[in-house]
Amino acid sequence: QVKLLQSGAALVKPGASVKMSCKASGYTFTDYWVSWVKQSHGKSLEWIGEIYPNSGATNFNEKFKGKATLTVDKSTSTAYMELSRLTSEDSAIYYCTRWTEVLDYWGQGVMVTVSS
Amino acid sequence: DIQMTQSPASLSASLGETVTIECLASEDIYSNLAWYQQKPGKSPQLLIYYANSLNDGVPSRFSGSGSGTQYSLKINSLQSEDVSIYFCQQNYDSPRTFGGGTKLELK
Repeated sequence: QVKLLQSGAALVKPGASVKMSCKASGYTFTDYWVSWVKQSHGKSLEWIGEIYPNSGATNFNEKFKGKATLTVDKSTSTAYMELSRLTSEDSAIYYCTRWTEVLDYWGQGVMVTVSS
Repeated sequence: DIQMTQSPASLSASLGETVTIECLASEDIYSNLAWYQQKPGKSPQLLIYYANSLNDGVPSRFSGSGSGTQYSLKINSLQSEDVSIYFCQQNYDSPRTFGGGTKLELK
């Protein structure tokens, strides 16, 4: 069955960066886009961007350009998202998802807390 | 960006009741509308895609309808396990945008 297993929670200082992972299993990793979604304040959802593992092509929400960097490691079927220059506004849960014209499978989420 | 306005923001209903959640897009999204259910402490899960297609394993008491800019999610015969936050999302244009969510509680 399709699974997306994300890395653990992170506590990071303002101004620092954080890199999280999303390991896919149960399907051909290179055939589907991986999208990332931010959930703030326990409710609202924002689409950050997506990456196509086969080619490395990316698309971003303009709001997150310069904030998020998306990469993949095809050898381990793992997608990564790095967030840079963190502020309190980046404290949120971040989900990786599989995209098949909808977000059909979601990881368990990574809670990022930005605090000094 | 396409704005998705979801209503109501919260809803309280009794077991067995029928509830409806609405989603209004700021422009025509040609039925490229999905609904997600997020149970407390869990990740969102896909319920409905293309406005009215039920995802595998989703109970038939859930249904979606709509076209153009107006869409709705209907839950018949509310069950306790339906307590969740529900989100709509448009997949017509980038960036893909979500509604603000509807928190459904039991009365």
